[in-house]
Amino acid sequence: QSALTQPASVSGSPGQSITISCTGTNSDVGSYNLVSWYQHHPGKAPKLMIYEVSKRPSGVSNRFSGSKSGNTASLTISGLQAEDETDYYCCSYVGGSNSAVFGGGTKLTVL
Amino acid sequence: QVQLQESGPGLVKPSETLSLTCAVSGYSISSGYYWGWIRQPPGKGLEWIGIIYHSGNTYYNPSLKSRVTISVDTSKNHFSLRLTSVTAADTAVYYCMRQPASFWYFDYWGQGTLVTVSS
Repeated sequence: QSALTQPASVSGSPGQSITISCTGTNSDVGSYNLVSWYQHHPGKAPKLMIYEVSKRPSGVSNRFSGSKSGNTASLTISGLQAEDETDYYCCSYVGGSNSAVFGGGTKLTVL
Repeated sequence: QVQLQESGPGLVKPSETLSLTCAVSGYSISSGYYWGWIRQPPGKGLEWIGIIYHSGNTYYNPSLKSRVTISVDTSKNHFSLRLTSVTAADTAVYYCMRQPASFWYFDYWGQGTLVTVSS
């Protein structure tokens, strides 16, 4: 199974909105609403931000939202804050192999 | 509050076996959920390794399946990872995590432990 495709980096100014894409195939993102997103500050445990494409865990800011169209899932962060600057990873269930695959990660820079 | 803590050797020789344990507190493994491992090589992205249910049912990454074994000890409330025939490519921070059954996301994670493969 191949890693999901994410842009290596995105950037935005405080208060703006950004979107991180995550492209897979008909075997993963396109066929299942089992996409999740993680925020990962280096040296710390990754944090679940979005699950099942668009659901937010308790305690996660509503500035974070998720969506999916075809084989591409997206994470949108609105009202950018300096604390949002870090790495973000998408993940999807892979049908057929009962496994999961991550994207390569996107580094978000808040200008 | 669910907490997970990895433990094990930080240095493993090439061709040998990597062994890690994840101690779970605040939740009984026997009560449900899948429990598993994810790793991150230096400078690279996350890689899902595999999961186990308290009954012993397992699922593994197809690319690692021939070398990976995940086991569970409900009496000690911990689960373990064994990766055989390691090479430098297996050098990574290894995280243990919890996965709600059949939902394929990871809601609790350990802090991670760095394992270096080197002679």
